[in-house]
Amino acid sequence: GAGVSQSPSNKVTEKGKDVELRCDPISGHTALYWYRQSLGQGLEFLIYFQGNSAPDKSGLPSDRFSAERTGGSVSTLTIQRTQQEDSAVYLCASSLGGGTANEKLFFGSGTQLSVL
Amino acid sequence: GQNIDQPTEMTATEGAIVQINCTYQTSGFNGLFWYQQHAGEAPTFLSYNVLDGLEEKGRFSSFLSRSKGYSYLLLKELQMKDSASYLCAARPPAGTALIFGKGTTLSVSS
Repeated sequence: GAGVSQSPSNKVTEKGKDVELRCDPISGHTALYWYRQSLGQGLEFLIYFQGNSAPDKSGLPSDRFSAERTGGSVSTLTIQRTQQEDSAVYLCASSLGGGTANEKLFFGSGTQLSVL
Repeated sequence: GQNIDQPTEMTATEGAIVQINCTYQTSGFNGLFWYQQHAGEAPTFLSYNVLDGLEEKGRFSSFLSRSKGYSYLLLKELQMKDSASYLCAARPPAGTALIFGKGTTLSVSS
């Protein structure tokens, strides 16, 4: 696609429910990143994919968080048994994935998750 | 450890010049990025520095000093549309994720 697409743009859920957030990266981009942005906080790294594998998942805050990527394209971030502290904007980014240091990240507009 | 520090908020007036500073500590360093993020929108790329010195791009310039772990973003001839959050991000080893600071919210008034 022309840009990174994320859905839904907004999600309101009840505490304890599971949610799935979707990211469709730019066509041809092999690297995909998930970040979380809370009010007053910076972008917090969650997980990085190169193709379908995740060489760095060190930022996932707990085992309630998981992500997968299939076909080297679409990625899904799943949060199980959501808690109020999970409320944030979840941003996805993609890049060419060639491994060069100056490789730019292109971001989607994010999913605003609100856990009541 | 890995740490990026930048001021939380700055204010300036139209037509002025503003400098947003960023200091960083990372395990390995492969360059410094600046991104702009308008409220409710996706961050967009502004600049990348890997060598010491100043890179100029129109009204925006970015500076890097690797020995001091320091960068700044310079915005000239400020316009109202420059009101946004400016994110400093460091690249540890290539092929890894960027580490972002908390962002500096710039408010430009007339």
